[in-house]
Amino acid sequence: GIQVEQSPPDLILQEGANSTLRCNFSDSVNNLQWFHQNPWGQLINLFYIPSGTKQNGRLSATTVATERYSLLYISSSQTTDSGVYFCAVWPRGSYQLTFGKGTKLSVIP
Amino acid sequence: NAGVTQTPKFQVLKTGQSMTLQCAQDMNHEYMSWYRQDPGMGLRLIHYSVGAGITDQGEVPNGYNVSRSTTEDFPLRLLSAAPSQTSVYFCASGKEITGGNTEAFFGQGTRLTVV
Repeated sequence: GIQVEQSPPDLILQEGANSTLRCNFSDSVNNLQWFHQNPWGQLINLFYIPSGTKQNGRLSATTVATERYSLLYISSSQTTDSGVYFCAVWPRGSYQLTFGKGTKLSVIP
Repeated sequence: NAGVTQTPKFQVLKTGQSMTLQCAQDMNHEYMSWYRQDPGMGLRLIHYSVGAGITDQGEVPNGYNVSRSTTEDFPLRLLSAAPSQTSVYFCASGKEITGGNTEAFFGQGTRLTVV
């Protein structure tokens, strides 16, 4: 099946810093989603982004489907950004949404 | 809309017991699925359904059964619980976007401990 790799696995930031999270996938996809799992375990939809760039406040995401990667940018990080960020892909021709192992982000004051 | 609702939120089972995790959605989504989340493993797909009466296996189906008799509900059954099934379980439903793409939305999770 398709492989989804996220980097870095762990990231510690000072409040106010910027960061870039990366997601690489091994095969063609119909769609890609980014999720934030907050410290209470809730999975929150951030972006639905099969290709191109989207922005939502301090967060933005870019997917380059032809090169099989996606990037999530977090600017001016806040302590509430802490948690785990997951990339998940819908492989082409499949309904098996496949997750990476996540990037654990800790934002310290 | 309540979105995706999972019950219970927490459960402790003894080895060998059976139980059903409930999942309901009120968004009229055709796609529904179950995942388990273990430390360091991300989320792994157990079973999924693309409509009432249609189910299929995911990456880790052993020890779990599902059925889909209505669009709204997708219960997950553990027939004989084992300690290896201790995990956090998430249910998701999927909104079909144009062109056959789907966007998934998740419930709040069920934390299951098997002793």
